[in-house]
Amino acid sequence: DAKTTQPTSMDCAEGRAANLPCNHSTISGNEYVYWYRQIHSQGPQYIIHGLKNNETNEMASLIITEDRKSSTLILPHATLRDTAVYYCIVRDPGDGMRFGAGTRLTVKP
Amino acid sequence: DVKVTQSSRYLVKRTGEKVFLECVQDMDHENMFWYRQDPGLGLRLIYFSYDVKMKEKGDIPEGYSVSREKKERFSLILESASTNQTSMYLCASSLSSGETQETQYFGPGTRLLVL
Repeated sequence: DAKTTQPTSMDCAEGRAANLPCNHSTISGNEYVYWYRQIHSQGPQYIIHGLKNNETNEMASLIITEDRKSSTLILPHATLRDTAVYYCIVRDPGDGMRFGAGTRLTVKP
Repeated sequence: DVKVTQSSRYLVKRTGEKVFLECVQDMDHENMFWYRQDPGLGLRLIYFSYDVKMKEKGDIPEGYSVSREKKERFSLILESASTNQTSMYLCASSLSSGETQETQYFGPGTRLLVL
């Protein structure tokens, strides 16, 4: 069972910020939130992860609500190459990745 | 950069054949994983390994076996391929880091067609 809920699809204009939401209302205290993306016919690519604090790296920012029941992945300036399926994953320690259906993000010119 | 490579991008086999899918990682990671990905079902964990010669069943191990003779290599074996094993197979690796959650890095995938 996927522990997360994401919208099926989203569109974003090129150059704008893409904000991808994820609900994980049953997350437990020691579980991290991970984000991956998968461009067509390629393996999943790691983006970012966090526990409770907001995180930022060269690819994206991750905003986690104070109650940890939801999070948002932000791509600050989306490009056409960011078109992909984005997966939000909540992991049990030492367990494999359980990917749900993800959000299909389409960046439009 | 972590590099995870898989022996083939595309593979076509016949029903009943024995199939070997190879995965190699170059970052001295302890943990390695095999998944399959099917439309509408997401990624499902087949087997994983935390060390050489160790293996653990994932969610869907039936019809598969694995081998980890060297730290950098993790092989997935389909003993007798069947058409329902037509899928995209993904290998991943991660570093063991005690209590902190380790990030998994994925290979490019092998798209297997069983006729």
